[in-house]
Amino acid sequence: EDQVTQSPEALRLQEGESSSLNCSYTVSGLRGLFWYRQDPGKGPEFLFTLYSAGEEKEKERLKATLTKKESFLHITAPKPEDSATYLCAVQAPDNFNKFYFGSGTKLNVKP
Amino acid sequence: DTAVSQTPKYLVTQMGNDKSIKCEQNLGHDTMYWYKQDSKKFLKIMFSYNNKELIINETVPNRFSPKSPDKAHLNLHINSLELGDSAVYFCASSRAYEQYFGPGTRLTVT
Repeated sequence: EDQVTQSPEALRLQEGESSSLNCSYTVSGLRGLFWYRQDPGKGPEFLFTLYSAGEEKEKERLKATLTKKESFLHITAPKPEDSATYLCAVQAPDNFNKFYFGSGTKLNVKP
Repeated sequence: DTAVSQTPKYLVTQMGNDKSIKCEQNLGHDTMYWYKQDSKKFLKIMFSYNNKELIINETVPNRFSPKSPDKAHLNLHINSLELGDSAVYFCASSRAYEQYFGPGTRLTVT
């Protein structure tokens, strides 16, 4: 069964056009939810960790939020350099060292 | 300075061969991982070590054998390679569950 579902699969934005990426999860008793950025041909790069519903984290043009069933990655006034695949992952409730990843949202920001 | 490094970056080999991928981290982390990323971009955990001790061993064929000679190194040996083993393999290390990934090894089995 899918533990983490990300939508949309792909998103094209014009530079400056704000939007949100969604990550919904089905694990019970969420321990931690993680966002990563992956550039083509590279390994994922850690962005944020969220632990509690209502928690928010910000970094430059990115803001991650968490509810009891999903997380959003809000991108404000994106720039072309924000183009990448954004991955979401959750910790398994029975083993905190185990992570379930979504398939990602591929973001393309046009100048 | 490279935090998590993997060698080789590309590996092209024939079915039935045996190959190894090496990983090293200089972050001082206690936990290291191997992941497989398939063509649909799903990252699936294969193994995890904490201080050289195997703590996660997912449903992976016995042909895959990890080894951690010390907590800075985690290698992956694959026997009798099959076409379905073609993927990108990522090594990672973590602190407080935040994972730091290597650049990946693209394995192509022909």
